[in-house]
Amino acid sequence: DVVMTQSPLSLPVTLGQPASISCRSSQSLVHSNGKTYLNWFQQRPGQSPRRLIYKVSNRDSGVPDRFSGSGSGTDFTLKISRVEAEDVGVYYCMQGTNWPPYTFGQGTKLEIK
Amino acid sequence: EVQLVESGGGLVQPGGSLRLSCVASGFTFSSYAMHWVRQAPGKGLVWVSRIHKDGSSTTYADSVKGRFTTSRDNAKNMLYLQMSSLRADDTAVYYCAGDKDGLGDSWGQGTLVTVSS
Repeated sequence: DVVMTQSPLSLPVTLGQPASISCRSSQSLVHSNGKTYLNWFQQRPGQSPRRLIYKVSNRDSGVPDRFSGSGSGTDFTLKISRVEAEDVGVYYCMQGTNWPPYTFGQGTKLEIK
Repeated sequence: EVQLVESGGGLVQPGGSLRLSCVASGFTFSSYAMHWVRQAPGKGLVWVSRIHKDGSSTTYADSVKGRFTTSRDNAKNMLYLQMSSLRADDTAVYYCAGDKDGLGDSWGQGTLVTVSS
């Protein structure tokens, strides 16, 4: 199974400041079709997960452009350019290249300082 | 508007069975694979199963293989998860999730399954 490792696991951020979450996979996420199936999810307190980014860098509909995804191979990053209060929650990366199983990272809890 | 609504959760004794349902609306249900993902209390997300858009193929996490069965009825826009031989570690919120451009473009509100005597 592909192991997804996120860091940090806890991320205190000042409002208006940038934030960055790293996600590393135990093997390359480049599919034989050339695509990389790495997604990012946000889960606000008490809510269902919401996908923010698919295939490394594509923002889902309605996702603010302060969220961006980047990376390749085994190293990926989610960046928030300026953190807002509504960004509080847990962020997960997930790989869908080498399945089964689909695997998620442990989650990174973003809080406001 | 895409909507997924799960139902069927509840309290069940160890060794018991339960069937979860998920009704989909707002998109062409029969055009997409679907997934079940669960989240134990206070824990992270864990993928449970995937079903092909026409129901011809299903895939499961090792932890539920042989105990859980995923099915769908495209005529009714319904997704199901039949769970049997339930164990305490199956206690979780179960989400159905869509698969447009990959897993998780849409999620239901979740339904809580508690396995306890």
